[in-house]
Amino acid sequence: GENVEQHPSTLSVQEGDSAVIKCTYSDSASNYFPWYKQELGKRPQLIIDIRSNVGEKKDQRIAVTLNKTAKHFSLHITETQPEDSAVYFCAARVGGSNYKLTFGKGTLLTVNP
Amino acid sequence: DGGITQSPKYLFRKEGQNVTLSCEQNLNHDAMYWYRQDPGQGLRLIYYSQIVNDFQKGDIAEGYSVSREKKESFPLTVTSAQKNPTAFYLCASRWDSGSSYNEQFFGPGTRLTVL
Repeated sequence: GENVEQHPSTLSVQEGDSAVIKCTYSDSASNYFPWYKQELGKRPQLIIDIRSNVGEKKDQRIAVTLNKTAKHFSLHITETQPEDSAVYFCAARVGGSNYKLTFGKGTLLTVNP
Repeated sequence: DGGITQSPKYLFRKEGQNVTLSCEQNLNHDAMYWYRQDPGQGLRLIYYSQIVNDFQKGDIAEGYSVSREKKESFPLTVTSAQKNPTAFYLCASRWDSGSSYNEQFFGPGTRLTVL
């Protein structure tokens, strides 16, 4: 089955700096890569996603890049703010009839004011 | 946030007891999922269902059971066979329009503690 590795497990940055979280996946048939943000005690919420036919996607201060050859994808957050502090999860979905996501273990991002 | 509810928010159980976690959605979503979340472990899939009266095992199904008798409901039973059931349980649902890319929405979660 699919395996998703996520690094780093914790990340601390100063407000205004950029943050980058990286994930690798094992199954070359994976075709969809969402990123979820989970604030303390809350449910995970989708913040951005990318399909395998796209190399990069941006939404204001966040962006995701995908390198299919290397089988890795990354989340980039620019101009970080304290409210960006949360756990971020990457996920991958293998193409086919059964839609299920395999998640990374998460990155705890702390933005220090 | 609305549309997916889980109850109760906190649940305590004695060892050896079965317990059922509720998940309801009013989003008319076809697919529903159960995940277990442990610190540092991410989200691990327990069971999922793409249609009423059908469900499949996920990666960690042992010690759990589910049913899908109604489109809006997908209860999870944690049985006494689950060796380490203390965890945060998340339910999710997704509209299956035939697209592979529809968003999966999560419920607020149930924190289960075995005493």
